[in-house]
Amino acid sequence: AQKITQTQPGMFVQEKEAVTLDCTYDTSDQSYGLFWYKQPSSGEMIFLIYQGSYDEQNATEGRYSLNFQKARKSANLVISASQLGDSAMYFCAMREDFYGNNRLAFGKGNQVVVIP
Amino acid sequence: DVKVTQSSRYLVKRTGEKVFLECVQDMDHENMFWYRQDPGLGLRLIYFSYDVKMKEKGDIPEGYSVSREKKERFSLILESASTNQTSMYLCASSRDRSGNEKLFFGSGTQLSVL
Repeated sequence: AQKITQTQPGMFVQEKEAVTLDCTYDTSDQSYGLFWYKQPSSGEMIFLIYQGSYDEQNATEGRYSLNFQKARKSANLVISASQLGDSAMYFCAMREDFYGNNRLAFGKGNQVVVIP
Repeated sequence: DVKVTQSSRYLVKRTGEKVFLECVQDMDHENMFWYRQDPGLGLRLIYFSYDVKMKEKGDIPEGYSVSREKKERFSLILESASTNQTSMYLCASSRDRSGNEKLFFGSGTQLSVL
């Protein structure tokens, strides 16, 4: 069964606007971690932000914030003040404690294109 | 900064060939991973290793094997390449098994099997 679901079609975002990327996950573990990665056209995966299941506050890293709703099992990424360099694929990933070895399960990704 | 280096950016092989994809990390990380990425499917874990000479199957290990003889190097082996193994292959590493440890990725190897 798919553990990470990202279902939004490709998105066009106006420069300087905020964009929210949806991610829902499925786990029966109490302890888990959620990650977001960015993949520009160059291909390299770039870590953006991390949220632990026991973290009480939503994670923030610069223009990135994670809207964590544990009861709904969602971990949406919010990018504020979009820039042209934000055009990329964005992947949500989850680490389940069950495996105990930091393996991540990834979603299928969201394509974002920022337009001037 | 951690550097994860994959030996080839593009590779073209013929069906039936034995293919080696090499990955080296320079930060003494314990864990190393091989993923393949296909359009519309995201990243899928092939194999991972949490120590030298240790390996664990991921979600799609069929048709692949791995080798980790040294801590810094993790090789993915396609014993007999097939066209359905045409894909982008991404290597990653992480410091240890801590839950909040992020993965560092290489730039990927785009493999085409003809």
